[in-house]
Amino acid sequence: EAQVTQNPRYLITVTGKKLTVTCSQNMNHEYMSWYRQDPGLGLRQIYYSMNVEVTDKGDVPEGYKVSRKEKRNFPLILESPSPNQTSLYFCASSPRAGRYQETQYFGPGTRLLVL
Amino acid sequence: AQKVTQAQTEISVVEKEDVTLDCVYETRDTTYYLFWYKQPPSGELVFLIRRNSFDEQNEISGRYSWNFQKSTSSFNFTITASQVVDSAVYFCALSEATTGGFKTIFGAGTRLFVKA
Repeated sequence: EAQVTQNPRYLITVTGKKLTVTCSQNMNHEYMSWYRQDPGLGLRQIYYSMNVEVTDKGDVPEGYKVSRKEKRNFPLILESPSPNQTSLYFCASSPRAGRYQETQYFGPGTRLLVL
Repeated sequence: AQKVTQAQTEISVVEKEDVTLDCVYETRDTTYYLFWYKQPPSGELVFLIRRNSFDEQNEISGRYSWNFQKSTSSFNFTITASQVVDSAVYFCALSEATTGGFKTIFGAGTRLFVKA
C-alpha cells in the first residue's frame, strides 16, 4: 500500500532531551516536507527536501534539523526540544518537485508534548 | 510574500444546507498551485483538490465544487447538501516555486460543524 509513515505517533518528552521523528514513504517520491500544526495557525512548513541531500528551510525552521540521506526517509530532529515545540507534526511527500509540483500525501501525524 | 486567509474560523450548518468556505490568497508569482485539504476528527489530512494558476475552470466533484477566481485571488469551496460526515477542519493551501524548491503555505483552517 502506498503510504507515508511516521514514528512515533505520540511522544511525551522533557525539555532538552534530543529526539527524532522518522518519516518514510514507499512511493519513490522526490519531494518531502515537514509541517507543524498549531491551533489557529494551520500548518506551517518547517523544512522541505527536493531530493537526496537537498534540503531547505520552510517558514519555521528554528529548533529543528532534517536530513535526506535516502530518498524514502526524511527524519525530523529536535536537538534540544522546548515546550514551544509541543505540536502536531506532519510529514508529507510528493511525486515530483519543481515546476509541476503535484499533490502532497500526508503521514498520519505525530503528536509531541514537551514538558 | 505568500499568504492564505481563511476568514471563517468556524461555521455551523444544519444537514442538507449548502455551505461555502472562503479562501483568499496573496502571491507575486504567476505560477502557483492551490489546494484544499480536509482534516476529519480522526486527524489525518485528506487531499480534496489541486488547481494550478493557469486553469480557472471551476470544478465539481459530487457534492463538492470549487470556484477559482484569479481576479479576486479567491479559491472558494462549496459543499452542497451538507452531511454530518462533512464535519471537519478544511484547509486551503498555496504552493509556489522558490530558488530552493517549492514552499507551501496553509490557511488557518475553517472548522465546519454539520448538525443532524
